[in-house]
Amino acid sequence: AQRVTQPEKLLSVFKGAPVELKCNYSYSGSPELFWYVQYSRQRLQLLLRHISRESIKGFTADLNKGETSFHLKKPFAQEEDSAMYYCALGAAGGTSYGKLTFGQGTILTVHP
Amino acid sequence: DAGVTQSPTHLIKTRGQQVTLRCSPKSGHDTVSWYQQALGQGPQFIFQYYEEEERQRGNFPDRFSGHQFPNYSSELNVNALLLGDSALYLCASSPMGKSGGYTFGSGTRLTVV
Repeated sequence: AQRVTQPEKLLSVFKGAPVELKCNYSYSGSPELFWYVQYSRQRLQLLLRHISRESIKGFTADLNKGETSFHLKKPFAQEEDSAMYYCALGAAGGTSYGKLTFGQGTILTVHP
Repeated sequence: DAGVTQSPTHLIKTRGQQVTLRCSPKSGHDTVSWYQQALGQGPQFIFQYYEEEERQRGNFPDRFSGHQFPNYSSELNVNALLLGDSALYLCASSPMGKSGGYTFGSGTRLTVV
């Protein structure tokens, strides 16, 4: 079974502070991990995926298979980062290919 | 490119009725997935369509069915509506083989009364 846990429902930081949104997953196969973001009144959109190892809007995330984690980090938060963030797990091939399992989401608020 | 478009944006149905939701994928995308998002929860996978066939299915009853047309657009049908079916229904599209990098629509808000 695939499971994603985002332990923090709400996270508040001040502008310029570092931010880390936690994500832990459970999956016996080869995982693909993603972060999706939903800004106010906008649709859900892909922020980054572990396989591309890129930095988007200053955010990075490293897949740690030993700890089964995929935490999202940014060294200096900006007010425009305030949004709902979802961690999602997919299967790299196999019978579950194409299905995404989402966590419950973390609402990030960056205060001025 | 309008991206993924869904219709209608909102609708209200009575318990026991049937509903059809529609989705047009982003240009160039041939795979469509449907998700249910209850209030305060993350999206839950319903099923995925590719080449007009259901390829993957989540843990949803047979009351939930779908269809994909030759132009890649898709419909989600829910029969015998229950109050618990009230949710935001999201459609996501991608090119086949690009797992997870989905483009989402803005959703259809279904309220069952």
